[in-house]
Amino acid sequence: NAGVTQTPKFQVLKTGQSMTLQCAQDMNHNSMYWYRQDPGMGLRLIYYSASEGTTDKGEVPNGYNVSRLNKREFSLRLESAAPSQTSVYFCASSELEQSYEQYFGPGTRLTVT
Amino acid sequence: AQSVTQLGSHVSVSEGALVLLRCNYSSSVPPYLFWYVQYPNQGLQLLLKYTSAATLVKGINGFEAEFKKSETSFHLTKPSAHMSDAAEYFCAVSISGGGADGLTFGKGTHLIIQP
Repeated sequence: NAGVTQTPKFQVLKTGQSMTLQCAQDMNHNSMYWYRQDPGMGLRLIYYSASEGTTDKGEVPNGYNVSRLNKREFSLRLESAAPSQTSVYFCASSELEQSYEQYFGPGTRLTVT
Repeated sequence: AQSVTQLGSHVSVSEGALVLLRCNYSSSVPPYLFWYVQYPNQGLQLLLKYTSAATLVKGINGFEAEFKKSETSFHLTKPSAHMSDAAEYFCAVSISGGGADGLTFGKGTHLIIQP
């Protein structure tokens, strides 16, 4: 099992450009999440999808959109990137039977100039 | 809303010494609590979790944590530090006490191991 995979690993954008971060999991989990990690801030929840077909805002959703494409895939889109969105982005998945313990991907390091 | 406070952004211990990383939480419902470890340039790996069973939880790599409801604490300990324990450690609480809506993380504690 690959677990949770994310693409790309690194990305540099100019202010105003758009991009989509991809995430896929092969553990048959119902719930998926996007977090951002900034120095000294821990991880903060951007959006989550409790089950296929649903998405909800987390703590810091402004400037982002998400799509739960199917049970395996959950993408995060930046429509018009801003320097404040420079961060490391982590995708995670979880399941009720495992007490919603989060399984994390390796992260995408995004720089917006 | 749930919140997590980790005391000490950096903790330094000597190799072989006791490791104690502090975590206090606030939750309006019975919480699920987690400790994660992050090595440089990697994702987060679960160390251990509390889900209302035993209050003393054992995890991987010799770590354990004790849930103390009266103190709203979930401190992480390891009897003898190893150089390989140097990493960032995050305490987290389930946002809705066990639901699917994600975790609230503390700001993290960077553990430094002195030879």
